[in-house]
Amino acid sequence: GQQLNQSPQSMFIQEGEDVSMNCTSSSIFNTWLWYKQDPGEGPVLLIALYKAGELTSNGRLTAQFGITRKDSFLNISASIPSDVGIYFCAGRRGGGGNKLTFGTGTQLKVEL
Amino acid sequence: GAVVSQHPSRVICKSGTSVKIECRSLDFQATTMFWYRQFPKQSLMLMATSNEGSKATYEQGVEKDKFLINHASLTLSTLTVTSAHPEDSSFYICSAPGLGVQETQYFGPGTRLLVL
Repeated sequence: GQQLNQSPQSMFIQEGEDVSMNCTSSSIFNTWLWYKQDPGEGPVLLIALYKAGELTSNGRLTAQFGITRKDSFLNISASIPSDVGIYFCAGRRGGGGNKLTFGTGTQLKVEL
Repeated sequence: GAVVSQHPSRVICKSGTSVKIECRSLDFQATTMFWYRQFPKQSLMLMATSNEGSKATYEQGVEKDKFLINHASLTLSTLTVTSAHPEDSSFYICSAPGLGVQETQYFGPGTRLLVL
């Protein structure tokens, strides 16, 4: 099945640094969602974006819905050790149904 | 947010046996649920859409006779892996859309299946 391209694939950063990751698609999506997955657990919703150009924050997390509706980015400010995990973007098309297409994932590792 | 549970969380079975995984929406009703499979270090791949009161819709390449889905009620969907083989070993995750004008999806904690 189709997957969204997510970059970078992995990141190894220092605690306190800001993090940025993005997700791109060749087709348009009406909704962009960002999830975090810890090992052995299901994804947890971080931020949902519903309109092109929308910029939404959730604590230290900020995400934007690209103007073209083909991309989205997620920023994490002042990273802390518990930010470690895999971050997935997911897009939902319009036209009925609620199926999500997931990105390839960005693994974040935080060095103390 | 809405809570989705899965049972069991881990299961080990012998090759050739069948395994049933349950997905429940705990505090809301879900006419639709989704089943995903995730192999190690990979993303989630949608397997099928479970529809309450009607047949499930399977994604291309997913064998409907091998992965039986039953949406028995508005809060329960089950996935049965029939005649499991080692290559079916994976992390199976379900999700359900939350209620409201702007729907999002909430995921269960996943079920780790190991087929020996």
